[in-house]
Amino acid sequence: QSVLTQPPSASGTPGQRVTISCSGGSSNIGSNTVHWYQQLPGTAPKLLIYTDNQRPSGVPDRFSGSRSGTSASLAISGLQSEDEADYFCAAWDDSLTGYWVFGGGTKLTVL
Amino acid sequence: QVQLQESGPGLVKPSETLSLTCSVSGGSISSYYWSWIRQPPGKGLEWIGYIYYSGSTNYNPSLKSRVSISVDTSKNQFSLKLNSLTAADTAVYHCARHSIAFPHYFDYWGQGTLATVSS
Repeated sequence: QSVLTQPPSASGTPGQRVTISCSGGSSNIGSNTVHWYQQLPGTAPKLLIYTDNQRPSGVPDRFSGSRSGTSASLAISGLQSEDEADYFCAAWDDSLTGYWVFGGGTKLTVL
Repeated sequence: QVQLQESGPGLVKPSETLSLTCSVSGGSISSYYWSWIRQPPGKGLEWIGYIYYSGSTNYNPSLKSRVSISVDTSKNQFSLKLNSLTAADTAVYHCARHSIAFPHYFDYWGQGTLATVSS
């Protein structure tokens, strides 16, 4: 059971806009920034969005992130077939001595 | 370009200790925090712990009693030891680098190595 909650699956057709949610609590998303990772099958996770809404160099502006309260979301506009992947959210949790927590991951299917 | 490569045995027996090493190339291990993160088959990611290049550590409370992470700056490597293994520890184990800027995030990851716990 992951600390952050994501829908297990999402889907869309090419060109559509899709959003993936990530829900947490006051000690993680409510207090700290959220980061998003994309994982293609058999590959290492790749940083997609950092510090809620920042894109690393090379990530298309079709990808955007936001955070409000104890939830965050990743939006993908102009969906493309190569976007089919698993997406994970992550945040620091201030509980105890502090530790990183992740969402369970969302499998995005491009129909 | 920074690259991380995990190495270690693919099969370990229950109750034994898993030992993995992450080799860093294309950059120095100094000045950064480094983490181990695992992913059981078909499940989400779980953070195991991190180490600073100077040797200070922090572990996931759920694994703290069984985990040890160390660093060897001369070899540009850091390592994971996880003891008292059970089948629940079967997972792909990734190493990752924390960003130099705060708030931290994981900016580079290794591809991961599958460790299977089975007799």
